Amino acid sequence: ETGVTQSPTHLIKTRGQQVTLRCSSQSGHNTVSWYQQALGQGPQFIFQYYREEENGRGNFPPRFSGLQFPNYSSELNVNALELDDSALYLCASSEQGKAFFGQGTRLTVV
Amino acid sequence: KQEVTQIPAALSVPEGENLVLNCSFTDSAIYNLQWFRQDPGKGLTSLLLIQSSQREQTSGRLNASLDKSSGRSTLYIAASQPGDSATYLCAVPDSGNTGKLIFGQGTTLQVKP
Repeated sequence: ETGVTQSPTHLIKTRGQQVTLRCSSQSGHNTVSWYQQALGQGPQFIFQYYREEENGRGNFPPRFSGLQFPNYSSELNVNALELDDSALYLCASSEQGKAFFGQGTRLTVV
Repeated sequence: KQEVTQIPAALSVPEGENLVLNCSFTDSAIYNLQWFRQDPGKGLTSLLLIQSSQREQTSGRLNASLDKSSGRSTLYIAASQPGDSATYLCAVPDSGNTGKLIFGQGTTLQVKP
C-alpha cells in the first residue's frame, strides 16, 4: 500500500455537472500529480502541483482545475462534465523521481 | 515529443513460464524509467524504478533492464504465477521539467493455471 488515498472510489454524475475528486498524498511528499485513464489506455497527465502551485499541465481544457493545500493534499475539479470525461482518475505523489499512485476514482458521466 | 510503446498489447502464458515484456521510447534523454502493475479497475503499483545511470534492477522474480541508447526497456518475469495476471505499464518522465510521466498503453498479462 502506497499511502496515497483517493476519495470517493466511485462516482456517477450527469453531463453538465461539476465534480470534485480528492487525494491525500503520502506523508512527506510535496508533489502531487493527477492523471486520467480511459479504458484500455495508459494514464494521461492532467497537471502537477508542487507546494500549492501548479507546476506543469497536460493537454486538458481549463474546465479541469486543481488545488493543493498546505498539508499537500489535493483536489481535482472538473466543470461542465462531458460523457468523454468518464474514466479512472489517478492521483500520484512523488519523491526522488519515484511515483506512488492511489487506487483511483472511477467517474462515470451519464 | 516523447512517445512510449509497449509490445505486445496482450499476452497469455501457462503458469511457470518465464516471460519478457517490452517497452520502447523515442527520446533517449530520460532521467529514469518506471514499471508499474495495474489490477483491473485499480490504481498503479510501482514495481521497479531504473535510474538513467543503471542497466537493470531486480525485485524478487522481476528484473527490469534499460538500454537508453536503443530506447528500450524489458521487464522479465521468472516462473510466472496466476497472481501475476495484470496489466503492466512502463513510464518515463517528460523531457521538460513538468513532472509529467508518459505512459505506454500497457501489456495485459494472463497466466493460466
